[in-house]
Amino acid sequence: NAGVMQNPRHLVRRRGQEARLRCSPMKGHSHVYWYRQLPEEGLKFMVYLQKENIIDESGMPKERFSAEFPKEGPSILRIQQVVRGDSAAYFCASSPPAGWETQYFGPGTRLLVL
Amino acid sequence: GESVGLHLPTLSVQEGDNSIINCAYSNSASDYFIWYKQESGKGPQFIIDIRSNMDKRQGQRVTVLLNKTVKHLSLQIAATQPGDSAVYFCAEISGGSYIPTFGRGTSLIVHP
Repeated sequence: NAGVMQNPRHLVRRRGQEARLRCSPMKGHSHVYWYRQLPEEGLKFMVYLQKENIIDESGMPKERFSAEFPKEGPSILRIQQVVRGDSAAYFCASSPPAGWETQYFGPGTRLLVL
Repeated sequence: GESVGLHLPTLSVQEGDNSIINCAYSNSASDYFIWYKQESGKGPQFIIDIRSNMDKRQGQRVTVLLNKTVKHLSLQIAATQPGDSAVYFCAEISGGSYIPTFGRGTSLIVHP
């Protein structure tokens, strides 16, 4: 049973470009969470999605950031017009419908904005 | 505001010793706590959890203690091994929420 998968593992973008981060949850999991981690800091919640629905996006910046979890395919975190401050590790986690308390994390995508 | 934090940013131990990682929380409404282990270049890995109606919970080589009176959480690792070297995060979830709030993390270094 494959775990949570994220790709790419590393992403380099220049300022002003777009970054697309993908997350495939564990099999049977319909809940996806995105977190951002700055160096030597804990994870900060960004957004919580279920299939085709955004449940909670209270941690996501109002501009340039968006997330989706379509009926088919992976969840996508999209960052438009990236700035250097967006450089961080972005982690996705998933949980089953009745088990939100235990989230399984992917390996993360490390975004570097030049 | 409410916060979750760790007392020590780095803990160095010898292989075979017991390790204790501490965490303080300030949200009295927190009723669920989780410890995660994060190895370099990887995502956090669930270790053990505890609910606020418990004081202690044991797993394989790990024990979590919860002291609600002083809002303190600890993770004890018995017979620490080099493979235990990682950053350990505590996280808390308050009643009615589903989003964990993570502390800053403690780096555990195990010397062979």
